[in-house]
Amino acid sequence: DADVTQTPRNRITKTGKRIMLECSQTKGHDRMYWYRQDPGLGLRLIYYSFDVKDINKGEISDGYSVSRQAQAKFSLSLESAIPNQTALYFCATSDYGGADTQYFGPGTRLTVL
Amino acid sequence: ELKVEQNPLFLSMQEGKNYTIYCNYSTTSDRLYWYRQDPGKSLESLFVLLSNGAVKQEGRLMASLDTKARLSTLHITAAVHDLSATYFCAVSPGNQFYFGTGTSLTVIP
Repeated sequence: DADVTQTPRNRITKTGKRIMLECSQTKGHDRMYWYRQDPGLGLRLIYYSFDVKDINKGEISDGYSVSRQAQAKFSLSLESAIPNQTALYFCATSDYGGADTQYFGPGTRLTVL
Repeated sequence: ELKVEQNPLFLSMQEGKNYTIYCNYSTTSDRLYWYRQDPGKSLESLFVLLSNGAVKQEGRLMASLDTKARLSTLHITAAVHDLSATYFCAVSPGNQFYFGTGTSLTVIP
């Protein structure tokens, strides 16, 4: 079984709809992250969390919110989706200390019409 | 504004040839990461470089870090088709990670 899972894997929605993307991990890591990937722009950090009570904005948090329901679960919400939020979204985890390497989920492809 | 720049952005090379991908970054960072992404797939960690002068090698790939020049290189030796992918570098000067735009590598038989 995969260590970092994301649901859904694909989603098509309409402008103005509320969308939630979910991420779960079995690696036991404290740190979790949400990124979006756009062609030619690499990955950009949306939000990150270092434990259940710690939520931090990343580079591009406007239009997004997150919830850390448990150590293993980190959800990303688009309160009112807009077309320029069409992208590939990745969740990642890392373990505090040492190399802090990130482990990525399989991604969610979101299309906002 | 923190910038992480990779070049080239696109690289087409013949099997058996050598080449280097460059990653420049604009702020102090004592850690640098290299990732690989296959088409339609997620990112996979290749290397973590934790200090100035660090060099790591895995198979035909070798990564190095010069923190004074704010430069990392990913050297490909005797390329094979299986290395075709997009390669990203990333830095983490604080608690956040900043990624380069990626280098799309195609190895031609």
